Amino acid sequence: EPEVTQTPSHQVTQMGQEVILRCVPISNHLYFYWYRQILGQKVEFLVSFYNNEISEKSEIFDDQFSVERPDGSNFTLKIRSTKLEDSAMYFCASSVNLRGPSTNEKLFFGSGTQLSVL
Amino acid sequence: AQKITQTQPGMFVQEKEAVTLDCTYDTSDQSYGLFWYKQPSSGEMIFLIYQGSYDEQNATEGRYSLNFQKARKSANLVISASQLGDSAMYFCAMRGLNSGGYQKVTFGIGTKLQVIP
Repeated sequence: EPEVTQTPSHQVTQMGQEVILRCVPISNHLYFYWYRQILGQKVEFLVSFYNNEISEKSEIFDDQFSVERPDGSNFTLKIRSTKLEDSAMYFCASSVNLRGPSTNEKLFFGSGTQLSVL
Repeated sequence: AQKITQTQPGMFVQEKEAVTLDCTYDTSDQSYGLFWYKQPSSGEMIFLIYQGSYDEQNATEGRYSLNFQKARKSANLVISASQLGDSAMYFCAMRGLNSGGYQKVTFGIGTKLQVIP
């Protein structure tokens, strides 16, 4: 089965530093997402991306966050100036394969990047 | 707006017994989808089952079945013959559309299931 890949699996950074989390969605998918999960808590939506632009973002996704699809394969999440409360697992996901059956609706998740802000 | 509600923060089940994890949803969309994901302690999100709003039959995938009651807006997950490896966090999620007509997926807060030997 195709996979969403995320790198790195763990990232440790100092407060105030910029981080870039990288994702390679499944190649013929159309929607891309970032979610985050603070340890033991719910999966929180950050942003969705469709047709090279943000289709929705949550209140969490403030000016410190940005997403980019720089080269047609990677999908990145940038946090400009990290805060302690940004420490979480960040999941990338992709969905909607128009070349596949319409029942193929699930989100394919990457294995996550654990971000620790010190 | 769409909303997913999981009211059971934690559940226990005896090995080999069946268990039902509750999920209710709220949406004004006519077409939507409902998912269940499993998250073991290792952290990955594992897709379990999907139900489309127009599917007349309840979805089944092996030991997993989705008890879809559209009028009640519920999409409960039933796990039959529980195994120790079923101990995990379980998330209900819904795919709908946002106000701009784009796909939106919302997750519930999860239910932690522990299977007792």
